[in-house]
Amino acid sequence: EIVLTQSPGTLSLSPGERATLSCRASQSVPINYLAWYQQKPGQAPRLLIYGASTRATGIPDRFSGSGSGTDFTLTINRLEPEDFAVYYCQQYGSSPQTFGQGTKVEIK
Amino acid sequence: EVQLVQSGAEVRKPGESLKISCKASGYSFTSYWIGWVRQMPGKGLEWMGIIYPGDSDTRYSPSFQGQVTISADKSISTAYLQWSGLKASDTAMYYCARSPGPRHNFDYWGQGTLVTVSS
Repeated sequence: EIVLTQSPGTLSLSPGERATLSCRASQSVPINYLAWYQQKPGQAPRLLIYGASTRATGIPDRFSGSGSGTDFTLTINRLEPEDFAVYYCQQYGSSPQTFGQGTKVEIK
Repeated sequence: EVQLVQSGAEVRKPGESLKISCKASGYSFTSYWIGWVRQMPGKGLEWMGIIYPGDSDTRYSPSFQGQVTISADKSISTAYLQWSGLKASDTAMYYCARSPGPRHNFDYWGQGTLVTVSS
């Protein structure tokens, strides 16, 4: 099973700043099958990025994903008030699929 | 519009059985997979398993194999997650989500079903 470790656990930033979230895999993620989700309190997760770098439909271009192999990054440029949430990475290239433990982006 | 509508919150006692549902609409139910994800209180997401309603091909995470059963009824575009003997540790929010394949991300999610197991 591929273990995903996200860092930092919490990121304290102000609106307008850039957020850089890391997701490290215990072994190479096949075909870079890595997704990112956003979850707000009381809501279901929402797909942001799939295939490591492809934005899902309707996702603003301030969200970008990068990386390959074992190291992946989600970058949020110019944080908006609605971006403060928990973010999860997921690998779906190897069975069983697994999620990271999440990074909380909070208002500083 | 793609929608996954899950059944309402449930409260059960340890040892009881339970079946929760996820009704799909707005797309061809038999052309996509439906997965289930657990979120324990204050915790992260855990991938439980996935089913292809077209032929009922089902895959489970080893962590959940034998603990739950995933099924689907394509005549009513509904997927299910069931337990035959609940434990207190099954208390969690359960989400269903649509996927293009068994090795794909989830693109649409249900609103979640809160299951509480308490004596």
